[in-house]
Amino acid sequence: AQSVAQPEDQVNVAEGNPLTVKCTYSVSGNPYLFWYVQYPNRGLQFLLKYITGDNLVKGSYGFEAEFNKSQTSFHLKKPSALVSDSALYFCAVRDIAPRSSGGYQKVTFGTGTKLQVIP
Amino acid sequence: DAEITQSPRHKITETGRQVTLACHQTWNHNNMFWYRQDLGHGLRLIHYSYGVQDTNKGEVSDGYSVSRSNTEDLPLTLESAASSQTSVYFCASAPGQGGTEAFFGQGTRLTVV
Repeated sequence: AQSVAQPEDQVNVAEGNPLTVKCTYSVSGNPYLFWYVQYPNRGLQFLLKYITGDNLVKGSYGFEAEFNKSQTSFHLKKPSALVSDSALYFCAVRDIAPRSSGGYQKVTFGTGTKLQVIP
Repeated sequence: DAEITQSPRHKITETGRQVTLACHQTWNHNNMFWYRQDLGHGLRLIHYSYGVQDTNKGEVSDGYSVSRSNTEDLPLTLESAASSQTSVYFCASAPGQGGTEAFFGQGTRLTVV
C-alpha cells in the first residue's frame, strides 16, 4: 500500500527566509509525486509534480521540490517566503504501476502542513 | 473556461436523512474523485470513478455511494446521514494519464445534526 507522511503539522517561518515543508512517501514501485496548496475556504490548487527526469522540480509561485529516491522524500521549498504563502500544503503520491485489477492507482494525500509566514 | 463545481457549498441536515452532493466538471475528464477533509486526517478518498458506469470504493466508503451516468457528473449520496459524516467534502477530476494532476472543486461543508 502507498502512503505519504508530512511530519510537521505546522511550519513557521519569517518573511524573506527560505522555507521547507517536508514530505516522505512509500510506494511499491516508482512514484508520481504532487504538491497542492489550500487557501482558507478554497479547494486544493496544484503547485508542482514529479513524474520523471530532473530531481528538482519547479512550480507555481516560486515553489520548487526536490525528489530524493534514496530517502523517499519530496520536500517543498522556496528561497524567500512571502506572507501570502501562508496556507495549508498537501503532498500526494501515486504509484506508477497499474492496479492489479486494471486502471490507475489512486492518489494518496498526506495530512497537510500549515505554513505560517510571519511578517 | 473549463471548471469543476460543487453544490451546495454549505448544507445542514438531520441524522438519518439522505443527502446528495453534486459535482459537475466541464473538463471532459475521465477520472473523478470524492474526498472528505477532516482535521488530523487530511484528505481521505471516499469513492472514485475512471469513466462512465465505473465506480470504485475508496478508504472511507461506508455510508456513501456514487453513480456515474455521464462524463460530467459524479454525485455523492449519503444514504442515512450520521454525525460522523460532518465534514468538508471535495470533488476532483483528472485526465486519463496517471501522471496528471487533479483539479478540485471549492468544497461542500456538510453538518449533520
